Amino acid sequence: DVKVTQSSRYLVKRTGEKVFLECVQDMDHENMFWYRQDPGLGLRLIYFSYDVKMKEKGDIPEGYSVSREKKERFSLILESASTNQTSMYLCASSTGDSPLHFGNGTRLTVT
Amino acid sequence: DQQVKQNSPSLSVQEGRISILNCDYTNSMFDYFLWYKKYPAEGPTFLISISSIKDKNEDGRFTVFLNKSAKHLSLHIVPSQPGDSAVYFCAASGGSNFGNEKLTFGTGTRLTIIP
Repeated sequence: DVKVTQSSRYLVKRTGEKVFLECVQDMDHENMFWYRQDPGLGLRLIYFSYDVKMKEKGDIPEGYSVSREKKERFSLILESASTNQTSMYLCASSTGDSPLHFGNGTRLTVT
Repeated sequence: DQQVKQNSPSLSVQEGRISILNCDYTNSMFDYFLWYKKYPAEGPTFLISISSIKDKNEDGRFTVFLNKSAKHLSLHIVPSQPGDSAVYFCAASGGSNFGNEKLTFGTGTRLTIIP
């Protein structure tokens, strides 16, 4: 069974802090994704990656960056956290013909 | 611009009856459609999918119908069970190789099954 692990379930950070959200998958999937989920807006794609050291902007990349130094790990970075980045962050992985497998999410609160 | 829309934020259905969740899309380039189910404090899990070359796909109690001309899909759950209470997201992709494609998600419908 595919396991996507997000390192933190809950995080509370202050405005202006640099925040790292970590995601690891154990199924050797090429593709990894970061989404955020907000009430009334559904899931929106922030960044994704098809391979190590590759990254592509999703629909809402502003204020975020990512890092994929190893195939199994995909990190989301908030360079300077703001209150409008308070959200549920969901990491997912997939291979070419598989649906996305999601982690359990990180609920980030920026105060 | 919401390309995938789920106009009902919530739905309550009696146990044993049919649950019908609806989804509309605007982008005619979408070629593959998926439904995900999400319980609180968990990530979404894949439920069922359909390619645009089909108009129906069935998996046990779950059936997805696609009406391409209306740009509309629906998920039928019959009979509904208490464990089906969750938030359901529809999603669309530009290709059948959907693992490699960006998914565009709807806003979700919270389904509550009443015992």
